[in-house]
Amino acid sequence: DVVMTQSPLSLPVTLGQPASISCRSSQSLVYSDGNTYLNWFHQRPGQSPRRLIYKVSNRDSGVPDRFSGSGSGTDFTLKISRVEAEDLGVYYCMQGTHWPLTFGGGTKVEIK
Amino acid sequence: QVQLMESGGGVVQPGRSLRLSCAASGFTLNNFALHWVRQAPGKGLEWMTFISFDGSVKYYADSVKGRFTISRDNSKNTVYLQMNSLRDDDTAVYYCARGAPSGANFLDCWGQGALVTVSS
Repeated sequence: DVVMTQSPLSLPVTLGQPASISCRSSQSLVYSDGNTYLNWFHQRPGQSPRRLIYKVSNRDSGVPDRFSGSGSGTDFTLKISRVEAEDLGVYYCMQGTHWPLTFGGGTKVEIK
Repeated sequence: QVQLMESGGGVVQPGRSLRLSCAASGFTLNNFALHWVRQAPGKGLEWMTFISFDGSVKYYADSVKGRFTISRDNSKNTVYLQMNSLRDDDTAVYYCARGAPSGANFLDCWGQGALVTVSS
């Protein structure tokens, strides 16, 4: 199985400051069709996860442009240019290239 | 409004069975693949199983293979998760979410979750 490793586990942030989360996969996530199926999700306490980014860098409708995804192969990053209060919660990366699909362990973004 | 809704959760004894359902509103579930993802209390997300739009392709995580079965009845616009031989560590909130991995709709819509508690 592909192991998805996120870091850090916990990310204390100051509102208005940038934040960055790393996600590394144990195998390349480039699929045979040339696409890389790496996705990012955000989950607030007591809520269902919400997809933010798909195929590495494509932002979902309604996701603020302060969120950006980048990376290739096995190394990926989610960046928040200026953290706002609504951004707090847990972020997960997830690969959709290899079966079984796998999530990273999550990064908890909280106020410093 | 595009929504998924799980039902069928509850408290069940170890070794017993339970069936979850996932129904859609605002779109036709028949046109979409469907996944089940679970989250144990205080833990992260764990992908469980996938079924293609027509039911011809299914995948399972090793942790549930042989015990859980995903199926769908497109005449009822519903996907099911049959859970047998339940164990304490199956206690979790179970979410259904739509979309094939290669599609733009991959996991873009999730249900509110159904809590399954396995306890004697």
